[in-house]
Parts: sequence; structure tokens; C-alpha cells
Amino acid sequence: AQSVTQLDSQVPVFEEAPVELRCNYSSSVSVYLFWYVQYPNQGLQLLLKYLSGSTLVESINGFEAEFNKSQTSFHLRKPSVHISDTAEYFCAVSNDYKLSFGAGTTVTVRA
Amino acid sequence: DAGVIQSPRHEVTEMGQEVTLRCKPISGHNSLFWYRQTMMRGLELLIYFNNNVPIDDSGMPEDRFSAKMPNASFSTLKIQPSEPRDSAVYFCASSPPHGPEAFFGQGTRLTVV
Repeated sequence: AQSVTQLDSQVPVFEEAPVELRCNYSSSVSVYLFWYVQYPNQGLQLLLKYLSGSTLVESINGFEAEFNKSQTSFHLRKPSVHISDTAEYFCAVSNDYKLSFGAGTTVTVRA
Repeated sequence: DAGVIQSPRHEVTEMGQEVTLRCKPISGHNSLFWYRQTMMRGLELLIYFNNNVPIDDSGMPEDRFSAKMPNASFSTLKIQPSEPRDSAVYFCASSPPHGPEAFFGQGTRLTVV
């Protein structure tokens, strides 16, 4: 069995400030890790993924996440957020076909 | 690529009525998933199809829920009879062969009154 814990349910942040969203997972086997973003009234969009190789993965819009096997974490960071980054962010883990999602972190960016 | 297409986007129905949600996966993808999202329970996997065959339906809440995938480009999720506690956003997602990531549709917001 696998599970995901997102440690923060709400993260308010000012525009151009950095943000970190924490994600820890538990699994008895090797996993794939994902971050999805959900804008209001939209579906989930894949933000970035770790499948293998380099433990630091980046998205096209400035987000990055680092896989830490010893700490079973996959935290998401962005050095400078924009108003348009306001959304809900979901961490997910998979070791086969089944994605297990965390409860989500709502990021609200204020000017 | 049009992405995963779901219809309708919104559905309001009365308790006891039958509801059918529809999904067209991304062409070439061979895995299809139905998820339900609620405030209380978050995102839950309802059922997983691989090559049109249901592989895991352990998340289907009860016999009122059923899902079909008659071909590689179409799936339905049916609720009969519907109840107010079925109110949620239902997402369909698909995955390519050998690809663990899932691509989601825009969802169907179901309200049962």
C-alpha cells in the first residue's frame, strides 16, 4: 500500500516570494512521483514527474521538485511566484497503475 | 491533441434518477481511470480499465455505480439510482502504454438534489 501526506493544507504567499509545498509518501516498493495543479473549475494538469534518474525535476513554468529517497519526500518549490500560480497542488505517488493523491495544498498568491 | 474529453461538464439531477457520465480518452492511450473528487474524501479512484478491460473496480462505492468501456475511445460511468451523497466532481483520466502519468479531463460536476 502507498500513501501521500501533504503537510500544509493552505499556503498564502505574496507575489514574487518563494514557496515550498511539502509532500511525504510511504511505500514498500519503488515509486513514481508526481505533482499536479488544479486551477478553479478545471481538471488536474501534470506539473512535473519523477520516474528515475536525476532527483531534481523541473517544470516549464519555474517549479522544481526534489526526490529524497531517505526522507521519502518530494517537496515542490518555486523561487518567485506569480498571481497566476494561485491554485490547488496535489502530490501523487504510483508504483504501478494506481495514482494515490495527497489531500492537496491550496496556494493563494497575493499582490 | 484534444486531451481527455468529458461530457457533460455540469449535471443537475433529482434523487432517484439515472445519470450517465461520458469520457473520450486521448487517442493511443490504453489505460482509463474514473476518479471522484469531494471536499471530504479528496480524490478517489473508482475504477481502472486497461485495454478496455476493467482491472480494478475496488473503489466503486456500491452497486448503484457501474462503468463500461465498449471500445478504446469511449467510456461511461453510470449511477442508478442517484443519491444526494453522489454529488461530486467526477474525473476521467487516461495513460499511455508504459506511462505511469495520467492525463485528466475537465471533469463533470454532478449535483443530485
